[in-house]
Amino acid sequence: NAGVMQNPRHLVRRRGQEARLRCSPMKGHSHVYWYRQLPEEGLKFMVYLQKENIIDESGMPKERFSAEFPKEGPSILRIQQVVRGDSAAYFCASSPKDSFYEQYFGPGTRLTVT
Amino acid sequence: DQQVKQNSPSLSVQEGRISILNCDYTNSMFDYFLWYKKYPAEGPTFLISISSIKDKNEDGRFTVFLNKSAKHLSLHIVPSQPGDSAVYFCAADNSGGGADGLTFGKGTHLIIQP
Repeated sequence: NAGVMQNPRHLVRRRGQEARLRCSPMKGHSHVYWYRQLPEEGLKFMVYLQKENIIDESGMPKERFSAEFPKEGPSILRIQQVVRGDSAAYFCASSPKDSFYEQYFGPGTRLTVT
Repeated sequence: DQQVKQNSPSLSVQEGRISILNCDYTNSMFDYFLWYKKYPAEGPTFLISISSIKDKNEDGRFTVFLNKSAKHLSLHIVPSQPGDSAVYFCAADNSGGGADGLTFGKGTHLIIQP
């Protein structure tokens, strides 16, 4: 009974490079959420996706960030041309179709931009 | 603009005693509230939730109380155990606000002393 999987767990990128973060939801879950946690802060919602659809991206920065959840494969959060301020822990959560409130979180990817 | 506030960054409680974690919110449209527990290097784990139609929900050692008029909720853990030492996040959602993610507080670090 695997939980939400995220990889990599740690990612180091130089300024200007691209970061790709992957999330595999729990089996049977069709809803995926991405959150970002900056140091000393709570988690901030970024985007909510269902398979092949972005439902709400109101928390996503307007530039450089994109997310997808294809029909097959994991959800990907992509950050282009990373800057130091992108350094944070990025958490993915999934929920079953009928219960979005009870979101199950992955272990997170810690992105460090040098 | 912090819509969910946890004003105590940390709380120290003796083992066996009651731990009370507090959370205040400003958005009167929130109608569902959750508590998550987080250990270092792990994702948040769902603990307990409450709908705005209730004022109390209990699950084992955990009880959440909701005071809608004060826009305040609290999590009680009794008796506190060493394994309860973690960061606790309060989260809220507005079910009528469309599909979006949870709004989290900054967390309270609970330390259980032997």
